[in-house]
Amino acid sequence: SQQGEEDPQALSIQEGENATMNCSYKTSINNLQWYRQNSGRGLVHLILIRSNEREKHSGRLRVTLDTSKKSSSLLITASRAADTASYFCATVSGTYKYIFGTGTRLKVLA
Amino acid sequence: DVKVTQSSRYLVKRTGEKVFLECVQDMDHENMFWYRQDPGLGLRLIYFSYDVKMKEKGDIPEGYSVSREKKERFSLILESASTNQTSMYLCASETARGDEQYFGPGTRLTVT
Repeated sequence: SQQGEEDPQALSIQEGENATMNCSYKTSINNLQWYRQNSGRGLVHLILIRSNEREKHSGRLRVTLDTSKKSSSLLITASRAADTASYFCATVSGTYKYIFGTGTRLKVLA
Repeated sequence: DVKVTQSSRYLVKRTGEKVFLECVQDMDHENMFWYRQDPGLGLRLIYFSYDVKMKEKGDIPEGYSVSREKKERFSLILESASTNQTSMYLCASETARGDEQYFGPGTRLTVT
């Protein structure tokens, strides 16, 4: 079953704007990861946040984690056309137990 | 750079055929995974392997088997392909520490 549910399913913004996407999950986790997938390609790891962390930054990416609400958000600041892709959250619990969400399709208009 | 390669980008097979999808990683990773990706369903785990000759079923193993004879290679086998196995298949690898998965480019399989 899919644990991670991203919201919104699709997002269209102008270049330079910020993009926020959310992920909700159901069970306890060790960490939560965000991945990007360009059309028809494999996924690329963006950032990991552990269950005892609340916020993490990497370049233009900011991830938050609220374990009490079982939710995470990914913020991409100053978006570029090259950020157009699908974004997936993956929750990791136990050993080898990755569960990917259904993804948010982001379109950045130039 | 970690590299995960998959044997084909596109594959067309007939119903009932035996299909082999190959995945090779060059970073000496212990763990390897096979997923299928379908619109609206995200990625679903078929099988994973944490060591040579070791395998574990994922969420949707029915109709599939796997083989891992060497550390760098993880094969997915469709014993008798069916049209409902038409999908994008993604292979991934990671270290035993398990902080990040590295994905191959995917194989888009069509079963007619």
